[in-house]
Amino acid sequence: DTEVTQTPKHLVMGMTNKKSLKCEQHMGHRAMYWYKQKAKKPPELMFVYSYEKLSINESVPSRFSPECPNSSLLNLHLHALQPEDSALYLCASSLDRNTEAFFGQGTRLTVV
Amino acid sequence: GEDVEQSLFLSVREGDSSVINCTYTDSSSTYLYWYKQEPGAGLQLLTYIFSNMDMKQDQRLTVLLNKKDKHLSLRIADTQTGDSAIYFCAESPMNSGYSTLTFGKGTMLLVSP
Repeated sequence: DTEVTQTPKHLVMGMTNKKSLKCEQHMGHRAMYWYKQKAKKPPELMFVYSYEKLSINESVPSRFSPECPNSSLLNLHLHALQPEDSALYLCASSLDRNTEAFFGQGTRLTVV
Repeated sequence: GEDVEQSLFLSVREGDSSVINCTYTDSSSTYLYWYKQEPGAGLQLLTYIFSNMDMKQDQRLTVLLNKKDKHLSLRIADTQTGDSAIYFCAESPMNSGYSTLTFGKGTMLLVSP
């Protein structure tokens, strides 16, 4: 099983809304990642969690707030987003450091 | 700095071989990856190669690594219409300590019948 599950698949939200993206894996992976992919661009790293602790924040604005409640779950809380935040948000996980990363199908976010 | 370059587009006929090329700059990279992305979907890990290897073969896929020139290629044998997608080359630098991937811009592969 190499499955990373992301919900919802699609999300439309207003600029004053608060919403959350969810990511789940049951592969026993200890590192989890959030990437952002704009249209016709490659994914760009946002956050890295290792052993449920935030290890890397790539200078992401505070309107994006990650959370790792346990080793299988990774959330991304969204608040006061801008239309330019519309993108495909991809979650990934890897067994540990420097091992292959597996991606979910992503959440397509549209901010109106 | 880290930079991964790919050609943007490749068109082949069904049954032909496809070769997608990539160059990278970070000589400390431990893993080099190929991911496939179909329209509206996430990234599917196709294959990867350790930076101390020259070649890796996995069914229809062959990865070649030239460390001296920092050149990576993905060959798809007997290309099928279902192989049409965007292919991303990615490197994972050793000094990051995690599987933090730097992606190329992606190569769109179009397979015609």
